[in-house]
Amino acid sequence: GAGVSQSPSNKVTEKGKDVELRCDPISGHTALYWYRQRLGQGLEFLIYFQGNSAPDKSGLPSDRFSAERTGESVSTLTIQRTQQEDSAVYLCASSLGGDRTDTQYFGPGTRLTVL
Amino acid sequence: GDSVTQMEGPVTLSEEAFLTINCTYTATGYPSLFWYVQYPGEGLQLLLKATKADDKGSNKGFEATYRKETTSFHLEKGSVQVSDSAVYFCAPGGSARQLTFGSGTQLTVLP
Repeated sequence: GAGVSQSPSNKVTEKGKDVELRCDPISGHTALYWYRQRLGQGLEFLIYFQGNSAPDKSGLPSDRFSAERTGESVSTLTIQRTQQEDSAVYLCASSLGGDRTDTQYFGPGTRLTVL
Repeated sequence: GDSVTQMEGPVTLSEEAFLTINCTYTATGYPSLFWYVQYPGEGLQLLLKATKADDKGSNKGFEATYRKETTSFHLEKGSVQVSDSAVYFCAPGGSARQLTFGSGTQLTVLP
């Protein structure tokens, strides 16, 4: 079946502009996660959605970052007034539920470059 | 919060050599433990996992055993191949649900 998809695959923007990144999770997966991977580093957790519960936003680095999810489908991550330090690969993952044993399946990522 | 310490890379081995990548963690509650792999030019994918103490996860000749007493989940393979060249990430998943990733270990296998 289809995996997690993300768009765009690459995004180049100028400092100060807003960007919107999209994630389509695997159908039927109730949990959705956003992570950020800076060059040569591991993944940093950003935000977690589980069903209709309030999202866990504890990983968002600043109030310039926000995310929404419509029901159990598409999610968008918005970065306002982008800064050069926002340059990274943004990865989305989904899992069947929010149980600790569930495998998270990752999308291919969006590479964001802020000039 | 949760944390993970992963063996520093890069690691370079000859084909058919034995591989160990060490991973130790701290996590709240009773975490599940995962190894993810990122092949060149590809996305992150699950390699193996273990969800309770003494469980052994295995896949593609790789193995890792959940050691609760030493809070470790070391990755091993008896005979590596060139195609195993990739970046490997250890990731505990604790009560907070999100995964905590190590910095990754770059493995290069030479023919």
